[in-house]
Formats: sequence, structure tokens, C-alpha cells
Amino acid sequence: KAGVTQTPRYLIKTRGQQVTLSCSPISGHRSVSWYQQTPGQGLQFLFEYFSETQRNKGNFPGRFSGRQFSNSRSEMNVSTLELGDSALYLCASRKGSANNEQFFGPGTRLTVL
Amino acid sequence: AQSVAQPEDQVNVAEGNPLTVKCTYSVSGNPYLFWYVQYPNRGLQFLLKYITGDNLVKGSYGFEAEFNKSQTSFHLKKPSALVSDSALYFCAVRPYQTGGGNKLTFGTGTQLKVEL
Repeated sequence: KAGVTQTPRYLIKTRGQQVTLSCSPISGHRSVSWYQQTPGQGLQFLFEYFSETQRNKGNFPGRFSGRQFSNSRSEMNVSTLELGDSALYLCASRKGSANNEQFFGPGTRLTVL
Repeated sequence: AQSVAQPEDQVNVAEGNPLTVKCTYSVSGNPYLFWYVQYPNRGLQFLLKYITGDNLVKGSYGFEAEFNKSQTSFHLKKPSALVSDSALYFCAVRPYQTGGGNKLTFGTGTQLKVEL
């Protein structure tokens, strides 16, 4: 069974630009969560989607948004990029019950110059 | 609000010796607790979880963790460390909540270094 895939793996952007990251969950998983990982702030929850609906949202500005499609694939978008948005963005999928563990993708390394 | 503390930034242990990576948590109600491991330039890999039941949870690669409700702790342990266990370890918590939301709160991570 294929794992969680994220594209692209690496991305370089400049301040003010916008970026879209993509995540394909494990087949059959309907929940997709996004996290930002930085050396200073660690792992921070961005948002969770389930059946195309946002279920939870972390404490990030409105520049960070996401969506989920009917096939459970998810995208997150960051507009008006800032230097501080440089991070590893991780996507995780989960099957069914909230008791279940999340499976993480390899991440997208975003560098903002 | 929920929180997780991993008091040690780094743990050093000799190969073959037992290892412990500490985690304490704060959450309203019953906790769901998880341990993940991250190797360089990789995503997080699930090790084990506590939902309910036995306080000693066994997971992947010989790891186990003990849930202690009175001390609000969920320390990760392994009887005999391997050099290949060297990685960054994260403890995570989320409260039981209706609706099945999955907002995990992670600790800051503990770098485990196993030396020959």
C-alpha cells in the first residue's frame, strides 16, 4: 500500500509570492492534517480536513488555507509569503476512528528568500 | 489547552543499554497519547499509542511506553538500545473529544543518540 505522498518535495519562493502544496493520503484514509515544522517552533498543527470539511484549525494567520477534494487529496496554500514561513510542511492521513494514528508524508521543504 | 513537555533536548545512551525518553502531558479529560520518530529529512513515523486499557503499551522496533495517569507521564522505553535508534523522538497528545477531531499537540522533541 502506498504511503502518504507530498509534492513537491522542495520549493524555493520569494517574499510576497504564494505557494500551493499537495498531499495524497493513503488509500481509504479520509482525514488529512497539515503541520508546520520549524527549528524554533517545533511541530505546529495547521488544520485538519475530513470528507472535504475543515474540522480543526490551528493558530495560524488567514494567509494559510487549505482544502480537500472528493478523492481525499488535499492542498494547502500560503499567500503573501514571509521569510518566517520557511519550514518543513508535513501532511498526515488517518483512517476512520479518531483513535487511529496518523501516517505522515515525507514533507515539503519550503524556503522563502 | 493541551500541552506536552519533553524535558530533555538530547539523550545519550550506549548501545545495549536501556533507554528512556521522557514525556509529560497536560490535557482536559482522558488523553490519547502517541510517540513518533523522525529520521533526518524524513516525515514522522508512528511508534505506539495509548488510548485505553493496559498502562504498558508495546510498539514498533522493540519500543514500549508506560502511561502513568497520576504523574501525567508517558515515557518511552527500550530495554536494549541500537545505534540505528538514533533519531528525533516526539511525544504527542490529543484529548478525547466528540466529533473525532484530530488536533495533535506535539512536544519539542528529544534527540536520541546511541553510541557504540
